[in-house]
Amino acid sequence: GENVEQHPSTLSVQEGDSAVIKCTYSDSASNYFPWYKQELGKRPQLIIDIRSNVGEKKDQRIAVTLNKTAKHFSLHITETQPEDSAVYFCAATKSNTGNQFYFGTGTSLTVIP
Amino acid sequence: GAGVSQSPRYKVAKRGQDVALRCDPISGHVSLFWYQQALGQGPEFLTYFQNEAQLDKSGLPSDRFFAERPEGSVSTLKIQRTQQEDSAVYLCASSLGHAQSQETQYFGPGTRLLVL
Repeated sequence: GENVEQHPSTLSVQEGDSAVIKCTYSDSASNYFPWYKQELGKRPQLIIDIRSNVGEKKDQRIAVTLNKTAKHFSLHITETQPEDSAVYFCAATKSNTGNQFYFGTGTSLTVIP
Repeated sequence: GAGVSQSPRYKVAKRGQDVALRCDPISGHVSLFWYQQALGQGPEFLTYFQNEAQLDKSGLPSDRFFAERPEGSVSTLKIQRTQQEDSAVYLCASSLGHAQSQETQYFGPGTRLLVL
């Protein structure tokens, strides 16, 4: 099956700086890569996703890049704000095959005011 | 519109008790997933339904775990003879379908189960 690794496990940045979280996956057939933000005690919320037919996607301060050859994808948050503090999870799946999500172990991001 | 809802939000059970966790997916969503999230970890897949059919139950950790979705909407995850290692948050997610562009999963708030 798929194996998703995520790092770093914890990340602290000053408000206004950028944060980068990286994930690797093992199954070259995976073709959909969502990122979820989970605040303490809350449900995971989708913040951005990317499909394997594109290399980069941007939504305001958030961007995701995908390198299919190397089988890794990254989340980039610019101009971080205290409300960005949360645990972020990457995931990988194969569309059209029941697509259970394989999650990384999470990155706890703290934005210091 | 209404998102995925789960009940109860918290459940404390004595070891050996049976528990039932309920999930109400987004209306019209064909696919429904159950995940188990241990403290400080990412969600781990338990089982998947397409309408009322359970197509994948490979993630269920033992035969004490059973899930159903008899009418293709509400789903119940049942755990029999609970053990302390069953303590976790149980997340339900639904998606419109499984084809490309339908696979985004929307999560419920989870049921936090504590087995004493």
